[in-house]
Amino acid sequence: DMKVTQMPRYLIKRMGENVLLECGQDMSHETMYWYRQDPGLGLQLIYISYDVDSNSEGDIPKGYRVSRKKREHFSLILDSAKTNQTSVYFCASSPLGSQNTLYFGAGTRLSVL
Amino acid sequence: KTQVEQSPQSLVVRQGENCVLQCNYSVTPDNHLRWFKQDTGKGLVSLTVLVDQKDKTSNGRYSATLDKDAKHSTLHITATLLDDTATYICVVGDRGSALGRLHFGAGTQLIVIP
Repeated sequence: DMKVTQMPRYLIKRMGENVLLECGQDMSHETMYWYRQDPGLGLQLIYISYDVDSNSEGDIPKGYRVSRKKREHFSLILDSAKTNQTSVYFCASSPLGSQNTLYFGAGTRLSVL
Repeated sequence: KTQVEQSPQSLVVRQGENCVLQCNYSVTPDNHLRWFKQDTGKGLVSLTVLVDQKDKTSNGRYSATLDKDAKHSTLHITATLLDDTATYICVVGDRGSALGRLHFGAGTQLIVIP
């Protein structure tokens, strides 16, 4: 079953707390992505990972970092969360050789109070 | 600067009617264009991908066109159902591989009423 799983689905944190969002995929895809989605805007790329320990900044990496120690897992970390990081975060995966196969997780809705 | 513009922003149709969603973009190069459906509170699910200079695809009640000369795509939904209520997102990829970038539109919110 081809799936991208995100945990948790909902999260409420206070400003200044650390946040860990987890993403897993069962398709052995090399490439994984973290996006955020805000009302009225297209998805914005935070980080992209081409494989284990091969990560690159996306368009809005400030305030975020990532970790990919296993091909099937990709984590997004917010150190000292800010209220403007309230958003819906999506993880996705695709094979390195083709973007014609792209799978998204169901998203994590993060509220930073 | 927004490189992918979708119109209309929102649309209400009656069940059984047809509708057309538009996507204009300025992304260069434009390797492929994909339409996604996003149900409320869910992730994006791919409907179709268009690749050729002038391309057409069909997937059940969904059909799409792409004109790379005009940098324009349409998504047609025939005989809409209540379950078609969702946000439809147009995405342009500048390369065929994951080394490229994906450019997302903000989406068209479609509401199908009985």
